[in-house]
Amino acid sequence: ETGVTQTPRHLVMGMTNKKSLKCEQHLGHNAMYWYKQSAKKPLELMFVYNFKEQTENNSVPSRFSPECPNSSHLFLHLHTLQPEDSALYLCASSQDPRNEKLFFGSGTQLSVL
Amino acid sequence: QQQVKQSPQSLIVQKGGISIINCAYENTAFDYFPWYQQFPGKGPALLIAIRPDVSEKKEGRFTISFNKSAKQFSLHIMDSQPGDSATYFCAASMAGNQFYFGTGTSLTVIP
Repeated sequence: ETGVTQTPRHLVMGMTNKKSLKCEQHLGHNAMYWYKQSAKKPLELMFVYNFKEQTENNSVPSRFSPECPNSSHLFLHLHTLQPEDSALYLCASSQDPRNEKLFFGSGTQLSVL
Repeated sequence: QQQVKQSPQSLIVQKGGISIINCAYENTAFDYFPWYQQFPGKGPALLIAIRPDVSEKKEGRFTISFNKSAKQFSLHIMDSQPGDSATYFCAASMAGNQFYFGTGTSLTVIP
């Protein structure tokens, strides 16, 4: 275990549903990230949080809404998604945003029907 | 434009053989080049990393070779084992900022 836990592991949702992905890290890190992993594509950075403050939003559509209530928890709220949003969503953490070692969770495999 | 290009997309190696995965980058400001290993159902995990001030780094059976002038770096897995079967990602970053990942290489080591 890397110390980063993601739930649920799998999620199937319709385009009109609202769901949330959860991430929790037990490493005492201050930075947390959401990445999108699609087949045959590079990992895409979506959001970065440092000490609960969002420091980066890589032009992510508004149907993805992150929330970071504290340095240990990170959520990704999903609504009115599209089938092309189907992917593995990975949460990661690091000591701080400039620390070069990322610790990833196992991801949530999302299917949008 | 893809910042880091990785090849091959997939690789099949006999047990005991050498696995070689290559990456190329464009931005000469990149100063950190990690390799991540991802098993099915798991997230990527840092395997080994190098900075451009050295040409090679070795950790056990895993070696990174770095060619600054060619803007290329590669991962060599010596004495490949079935347990090494996984997807490998190269990446690059500058000054601890955003990572740019390759598209991944699916390695299968056959007994």
